[in-house]
Amino acid sequence: DAGVIQSPRHEVTEMGQEVTLRCKPISGHNSLFWYRQTMMRGLELLIYFNNNVPIDDSGMPEDRFSAKMPNASFSTLKIQPSEPRDSAVYFCASSLRGQIPYEQYFGPGTRLTVT
Amino acid sequence: AQTVTQSQPEMSVQEAETVTLSCTYDTSESDYYLFWYKQPPSRQMILVIRQEAYKQQNATENRFSVNFQKAAKSFSLKISDSQLGDAAMYFCAYNRGGGADGLTFGKGTHLIIQP
Repeated sequence: DAGVIQSPRHEVTEMGQEVTLRCKPISGHNSLFWYRQTMMRGLELLIYFNNNVPIDDSGMPEDRFSAKMPNASFSTLKIQPSEPRDSAVYFCASSLRGQIPYEQYFGPGTRLTVT
Repeated sequence: AQTVTQSQPEMSVQEAETVTLSCTYDTSESDYYLFWYKQPPSRQMILVIRQEAYKQQNATENRFSVNFQKAAKSFSLKISDSQLGDAAMYFCAYNRGGGADGLTFGKGTHLIIQP
């Protein structure tokens, strides 16, 4: 398997622009997670899906952030409008809920820079 | 809410020596997982070792082992025979049993290997 795929790997955009990050989970996995990593806040969970349904979005910082999972093989995280404080590395991870032993598999991350 | 605390922002060890990274956590759950992830400069999140809370035996993976003290809510990582390739950020993480939700991470420990 190719593992979790994220695109783009790097994104540089200007403040106010819309940004869309993409994720393809491992085939057969039924849970998908979006995390954000910053120096100040570390690694934090933004939102996660089980069977394509959003379960907990309490980590989404504000209404400018939205996430979708239209099918089992694709998810997007959108920021509109983007702000400089959104600059971070965004990770997507997937897992098979109930798998023993349990593990989340991480993508390579997208480094977002908002100028 | 669960919290994970790593009290050592940075640790340094001589090559071939042993080092222990500390982690404490807080939870009211009885069934959960604990993990150590390694993040090298490539920023890829790599699972080092995991521990199921119901298992009394400490997990080991080659040169990596944990000291899991459930009553004290402590989960330290021991790296034996340290190698230059072990240099990275190490994150302790918590997850409710069965992958019911996302991972809660500590702030991380930067491990430096002195040649």
